[in-house]
Amino acid sequence: DAGVIQSPRHEVTEMGQEVTLRCKPISGHDYLFWYRQTMMRGLELLIYFNNNVPIDDSGMPEDRFSAKMPNASFSTLKIQPSEPRDSAVYFCASSPGQTSTDTQYFGPGTRLTVL
Amino acid sequence: KQEVTQIPAALSVPEGENLVLNCSFTDSAIYNLQWFRQDPGKGLTSLLLIQSSQREQTSGRLNASLDKSSGRSTLYIAASQPGDSATYLCALPLSNTGKLIFGQGTTLQVKP
Repeated sequence: DAGVIQSPRHEVTEMGQEVTLRCKPISGHDYLFWYRQTMMRGLELLIYFNNNVPIDDSGMPEDRFSAKMPNASFSTLKIQPSEPRDSAVYFCASSPGQTSTDTQYFGPGTRLTVL
Repeated sequence: KQEVTQIPAALSVPEGENLVLNCSFTDSAIYNLQWFRQDPGKGLTSLLLIQSSQREQTSGRLNASLDKSSGRSTLYIAASQPGDSATYLCALPLSNTGKLIFGQGTTLQVKP
């Protein structure tokens, strides 16, 4: 398997523009997670899905952020409108389950810069 | 509320040294504890996962221990190499959910 795939790897946009980040999880994994990493706050979970259904979105910072998972092989994280403080690295991760032995597999991340 | 702390934030050692990275957590009712490695500009790679019923896990030159009663885990790296240079993060799930709480990480530099 190719692992978790994220696109784009880098995104530079101007304040106010819409940004869409994409993720393809590992085939057969039932759980998908979106994280944000910044120097100040470290790694934070934004939202996670189980079988394409959002389970916990309490980490989504504002209504400007939304995430969807239309099928088992694709998820998007959208920011509209974007702001400079949204600049961060956004990671997608997937996991086969939530047993005590299941780990999460991370994608390479999307580095977002909002000017 | 579970809080995860890693000390030190950065560590520099000469090649060949054995070293220990520390992770502490506030709530001992944990499900498991994981150690991840992050290389610059890359995603996270899982190194070791210790279930709550276990005391330690080993993989090659890495050994992770877990002491729930004291709220601590250590990652021991034997005979460090320049290729071990990276940021090491520990993480715990919130109850038995998928929500991982991460420490801030320890950035390790191993000098040749």
